[in-house]
Amino acid sequence: GAVVSQHPSRVICKSGTSVKIECRSLDFQATTMFWYRQFPKQSLMLMATSNEGSKATYEQGVEKDKFLINHASLTLSTLTVTSAHPEDSSFYICSARDLSGDRRQYFGPGTRLTVT
Amino acid sequence: GNSVTQMEGPVTLSEEAFLTINCTYTATGYPSLFWYVQYPGEGLQLLLKATKADDKGSNKGFEATYRKETTSFHLEKGSVQVSDSAVYFCALSGLAGSGGSNYKLTFGKGTLLTVNP
Repeated sequence: GAVVSQHPSRVICKSGTSVKIECRSLDFQATTMFWYRQFPKQSLMLMATSNEGSKATYEQGVEKDKFLINHASLTLSTLTVTSAHPEDSSFYICSARDLSGDRRQYFGPGTRLTVT
Repeated sequence: GNSVTQMEGPVTLSEEAFLTINCTYTATGYPSLFWYVQYPGEGLQLLLKATKADDKGSNKGFEATYRKETTSFHLEKGSVQVSDSAVYFCALSGLAGSGGSNYKLTFGKGTLLTVNP
């Protein structure tokens, strides 16, 4: 089946630094990828929709200058958390929408970000 | 806006017990409904879906019926196994009239299920 990978799986960074998270579709192409944030015991909250070759679409309340999204190819989207603060600590999950078949979303395993 | 409310866990059952996880939704139009499962250390996987009223989704012994009159999509399994231990998420697609498309998913908070031998 379709596989989506995320890298890194865990990252610890200092407050004020930037962190980049990669999301790759390994065996299919995805013009659309999604970035979610999940707090403990909370649902996944959609942050933004990443579109290959164009600007990302951000959900209301998500700072586009803080969470930079680049969808450089049909198999790669990156999320950069700029000037990270402890409140940005969370579990970030991406998904990729397969162009073929029923166009379902396939989810990555997530990235645990801890900002100290 | 769209929202999904699902039964809060954790839910702990013995093997072969009957499982129900309740899910209700609020949405405009006619969303598609989904159950996703997240096994420990893995990403979310689609468990089953239903795209219109009265549809029944089923997979791996799990079933859920799209009930428009009660805006519900409860997950059931007649006999759970230890390997079913996971977090279960109810979700709907945000695009009105999307049919099978699962564009812009809205998730419930998830229900942790633990099945003991």
